[in-house]
This record gives sequence, structure tokens and C-alpha cells, in this order.
Amino acid sequence: DAGVIQSPRHEVTEMGQEVTLRCKPISGHNSLFWYRQTMMRGLELLIYFNNNVPIDDSGMPEDRFSAKMPNASFSTLKIQPSEPRDSAVYFCASSLQGADTQYFGPGTRLTVL
Amino acid sequence: AQTVTQSQPEMSVQEAETVTLSCTYDTSESDYYLFWYKQPPSRQMILVIRQEAYKQQNATENRFSVNFQKAAKSFSLKISDSQLGDAAMYFCAYRSKNGNKLVFGAGTILRVKS
Repeated sequence: DAGVIQSPRHEVTEMGQEVTLRCKPISGHNSLFWYRQTMMRGLELLIYFNNNVPIDDSGMPEDRFSAKMPNASFSTLKIQPSEPRDSAVYFCASSLQGADTQYFGPGTRLTVL
Repeated sequence: AQTVTQSQPEMSVQEAETVTLSCTYDTSESDYYLFWYKQPPSRQMILVIRQEAYKQQNATENRFSVNFQKAAKSFSLKISDSQLGDAAMYFCAYRSKNGNKLVFGAGTILRVKS
């Protein structure tokens, strides 16, 4: 079975540009999570969806960040405009709703110059 | 709010030896889940082992086992017969039974010496 798929794996952009990260959850999973990993703050949850509906976005740092899940097999995390402090590894994870275990994608390493 | 603490930033172990990674957590809940994830240099987050708080029996997965002490809020990971492939960052994580959010510790870097 394919795991969680994320694209791109690496993204380098300049400050002020729009960045879109993509995620395809494991087929059949109806909960999707976006995490960010930085040296300073470790791994932190940004937002999660149940059945394509955003449930908790309290971890989204500011209005420059937005996330969507238009269908059960696709989600995006958008940063507009990007800033150097957004440089991090962004992980997408999925699970069955109510299940305890989340499965992570390979992550996207974002560098904002 | 729940917190997870990993007090060992870095650990080393000789190949074939046993090592224990520490994790403590703080919660007022009685039912929850605990996890250990492994992150090798590839960055992939790999689930190593999980424990349900209401189960007193410690979870085991091949060479990996946990020592779950609910009263002490401690959840340590023991790796037996360490292999070079075990070298990675290890994260302890907590999840409420009725929640979805994983709360992670800061991680412990494990180095395996040949």
C-alpha cells in the first residue's frame, strides 16, 4: 500500500513568493494533519481535518498560512507571502478518524531565502 | 495542556548492546496513547511502538520494548541488540484518547557505534 505522499520533497523560494505544499493521505484515511518541524520549536501541529473539514487550526502561525482539503485524497498547505522564518520541514500525516496511530509522509523541506 | 519531556538530547550505544531512552509526560487525563517515533536522516517519521494507557502490559515490538509507569508518568523505550540502522532521532509523543493532536517531545539523538 502507498503511504502518505507529499510533494515537493524540497522547495527553495525567495521571500515574498507563494508556496504550496501538497499531500495525498493513505487511501481510506479520513483524518489529515499538517505538522511543522523546526530546530527551535520541534514538531508542532498546524491544522487537522476530519472528513475534509478543518477541525483545529489553532496551530497555524498567522494569516499567511492557509490549508484546504477539497476532497478525501488531497490537501494543500499554502504560505503567502513566504518569509525566511517559515523555513522548516512540513509533514503531512493521516489516520482513520478515531484511530490512535498517525502515519507520516516523507516531509517537504522548505527553504525561504 | 499536555507536555512531553525527553531529558536526553543525545545517547550513544555500542552495537549489540542495550540502550534506554527516557520520556516523561504531564497530563490530567486517565486514558490516552503514547508513541515512540523514529526519524532517521531521511527525515521519514516511522512509528516504532505504541502503548494504550489503560493497558498495564508493556508493549513490545521485536527488539523494541517500553517501560510504562502510569503513576510516574514515565514511558521509556528500550532497544535491545542495537544495530547500526537504529541510529536516528527518537521522538516520544502523547495523544489524548478523545483527541487527535499528537504532542511531541524534543527528541533524543541515538548514535550507534560499531
